[in-house]
Formats: sequence, structure tokens, C-alpha cells
Amino acid sequence: ILNVEQSPQSLHVQEGDSTNFTCSFPSSNFYALHWYRWETAKSPEALFVMTLNGDEKKKGRISATLNTKEGYSYLYIKGSQPEDSATYLCALATGGFKTIFGAGTRLFVKA
Amino acid sequence: DGGITQSPKYLFRKEGQNVTLSCEQNLNHDAMYWYRQDPGQGLRLIYYSQIVNDFQKGDIAEGYSVSREKKESFPLTVTSAQKNPTAFYLCASSRRTGGVWDGYTFGSGTRLTVV
Repeated sequence: ILNVEQSPQSLHVQEGDSTNFTCSFPSSNFYALHWYRWETAKSPEALFVMTLNGDEKKKGRISATLNTKEGYSYLYIKGSQPEDSATYLCALATGGFKTIFGAGTRLFVKA
Repeated sequence: DGGITQSPKYLFRKEGQNVTLSCEQNLNHDAMYWYRQDPGQGLRLIYYSQIVNDFQKGDIAEGYSVSREKKESFPLTVTSAQKNPTAFYLCASSRRTGGVWDGYTFGSGTRLTVV
């Protein structure tokens, strides 16, 4: 059974700190990796979709990389702000309608 | 604005009762999904539907039923056969672009509690 692991489970940082978290998976047999941001009381929203080894995506202060050979993706946040506080979900689309979600990394940014 | 609407936000059910969670989208997306979230776990797929009048079981379909009579609507019924229904339920939709399914658009969820 394909398992998507996210670490750490939660993270507390100060405003202005840069941070990163990991999504790891055992296989490169997939066609896309998605990152979502899920703020409390809101809907998860799509951040990035990546498909190729070496893919790098950036949106403002948030960026992500993908390494399919070693089975991981990193999400980076530069200069964290309180509004970055959310749960960040990683999801592996393995083909057809099968998407495996990690349990998420809960980020708390203190002002 | 286009999006997905789930209702109700909170739902309380007595043991032995069936309840239906609503999910409506106006995005013209072909595919719709129901996921369940439990503390400390990733989202788990209950059912999905690729087109109207067709749906497939996900990983944890037992005790649930769905229908897809309209493209816009994909209601989920939690039946009395579901042994542990207390959870957070998320509905999502997606479309196909260039032969590949895009990422999901999610609703804001329904929290179901059995009392």
C-alpha cells in the first residue's frame, strides 16, 4: 500500500523565520504531486502541482521542489507570517482517480 | 463565484439514523469525490464519481452510499451500517485538462457527530 508521509507533524516558528517541511513517498510511480494549504475553518486550497523530477514551483514566499528518484518533496516558506499558519497537505496522484493524502504538517507562526 | 458548497457545516446524528450530507458545485467539473478525515490521518477516499449516473467505491466505502443524478450534485448518505461515523467529511471536484486530472477544489466540510 502506497503511503505518503509528512514531517514534522506540527511546527511552531516565529514571524520572520524561514521554514521547510517534507513529504516523502516510497515510489516514483505516480503522475503528479500536489501541495494544498488548509486554513482553519476554510477549504483546502491548491498551492502547487508537480510532475517531473527536479520540478520547482514558487508562489510569493512559498516554493516547492520534487525529487522523484529519492521520493520526496520539500515545501519552503521564506520569512513566515502569521497568515501562513495552516495545515499543509501533500497528495500523490497515482493515476486514474487514486490520490493518496499525507496527514499534513500543521504550521503555527507566532507574531 | 464558482465553488463547492457543502451543507450543513455541523451535523448531529443519533445512533441508528441515516443522514445525508450535501455537496453542490458550479464549476462544471466532471469528477466529484467524498473524503473522510480523522485526527492524525490523511484524507481517505469514500466514493468518487467521474460522470453523471456513475460512481465508484473508494478505500472506505462500507456504510456509505452516494448518488450522482446531476453533474452539480454528489450527496453522501452515512447509513446506520457505518460503525464509526463521527468524523470530518470533505467533498471535492476536479476537471480534466489536456488528458490529465487537475488538482482538487474542495468544499469547506461537514463535521458529523453521533450522539
